[in-house]
Amino acid sequence: TQLLEQSPQFLSIQEGENLTVYCNSSSVFSSLQWYRQEPGEGPVLLVTVVTGGEVKKLKRLTFQFGDARKDSSLHITAAQPGDTGLYLCAGASGANNLFFGTGTRLTVIP
Amino acid sequence: ETGVTQTPRHLVMGMTNKKSLKCEQHLGHNAMYWYKQSAKKPLELMFVYNFKEQTENNSVPSRFSPECPNSSHLFLHLHTLQPEDSALYLCASSQEPGIGANVLTFGAGSRLTVL
Repeated sequence: TQLLEQSPQFLSIQEGENLTVYCNSSSVFSSLQWYRQEPGEGPVLLVTVVTGGEVKKLKRLTFQFGDARKDSSLHITAAQPGDTGLYLCAGASGANNLFFGTGTRLTVIP
Repeated sequence: ETGVTQTPRHLVMGMTNKKSLKCEQHLGHNAMYWYKQSAKKPLELMFVYNFKEQTENNSVPSRFSPECPNSSHLFLHLHTLQPEDSALYLCASSQEPGIGANVLTFGAGSRLTVL
């Protein structure tokens, strides 16, 4: 099992603030995925990053894959209450292995 | 219906009961998965089915018994469970086999409480 540690574990911020969550590992991954899980729902894929150093933007969300493909970050600009949820990273190791992190639970207060 | 549908959404059972969780995907996918989600732990992959055939069992206790009658349906049969089995059980599917190479679509989960 390859461990992915996410930080912070919990984050509570006011609407309009910026935030960054991190996903770190000592292992190299072929790709890394970010999911958001809203209360009472299953995880929904937000993005997949594949190349070391890659940056992808999804509206106010910016995802970065580390140069060594061991870590990733998610930055949210001007957070909205609709951003509330559990953010999960998952690292792929080849075609048949996917390891999930422990998650960051974000609450955006109106 | 579209996507991945799981029933029941909530289940409370005693340790001596027998119950089943059901998952149905309307996406035409060829691979289906059961995951366990517990508080403060990463998602744990339990079972993998590719083209209806079980290809992976991640050391799951025999009190959990999966069944995949066709590529659209997946069941998880539960019997003599323990309180520590209480968790959210998520079903997922992907277009093709290969959990690291394909996009997973998750259902909303079945919240299980074992008394």
